[in-house]
Amino acid sequence: KQEVTQIPAALSVPEGENLVLNCSFTDSAIYNLQWFRQDPGKGLTSLLLIQSSQREQTSGRLNASLDKSSGRSTLYIAASQPGDSATYLCAVRQGADGLTFGKGTHLIIQP
Amino acid sequence: DTGVSQDPRHKITKRGQNVTFRCDPISEHNRLYWYRQTLGQGPEFLTYFQNEAQLEKSRLLSDRFSAERPKGSFSTLEIQRTEQGDSAMYLCASSLVGLEGGGEQFFGPGTRLTVL
Repeated sequence: KQEVTQIPAALSVPEGENLVLNCSFTDSAIYNLQWFRQDPGKGLTSLLLIQSSQREQTSGRLNASLDKSSGRSTLYIAASQPGDSATYLCAVRQGADGLTFGKGTHLIIQP
Repeated sequence: DTGVSQDPRHKITKRGQNVTFRCDPISEHNRLYWYRQTLGQGPEFLTYFQNEAQLEKSRLLSDRFSAERPKGSFSTLEIQRTEQGDSAMYLCASSLVGLEGGGEQFFGPGTRLTVL
């Protein structure tokens, strides 16, 4: 059974810092990996999708990498802003069924 | 707005009552997913549809839960004889999956269910 772990569970940093969120998964036979952000009481917003054949994806200040063989992904956030405060979720897809999620990293950016 | 929509956004019900939620996916998407999320946890997969066919059900989907997607458009999720343990956020997502696979999932705002 696929298990997804996100470290750290919570992180608080001053505005302007660059930061890295980590995600690991136990079964490397994945189809793709997605990073989401979730604001309190809201749905999920897709940030980046990395296909299993890709190594990284970039969108603005966000960069996600994937090392499928070692079962790891990182989300890099450059020049953090208070508006980046949210819970960040990593999820992997295997086969035709749904995504398997980690528990998330709760991020606070201090103004 | 052409994103995924869900209705209602909040539902409070008494234990033992039946509830039904609706999800309208992004119009050209052929796959529709239901997830459940409890406080402090990531979403957990419940079931998904490819067009109108329900292709996968999680073991979390007890026989009190039923989902439909008539005509491959909107979907409904019904919970019969609700229990307090059913209290959660119910999330719907859709994606477009072709022969090449892929399929970024886009989520709706969720329906928060509280069972008293």
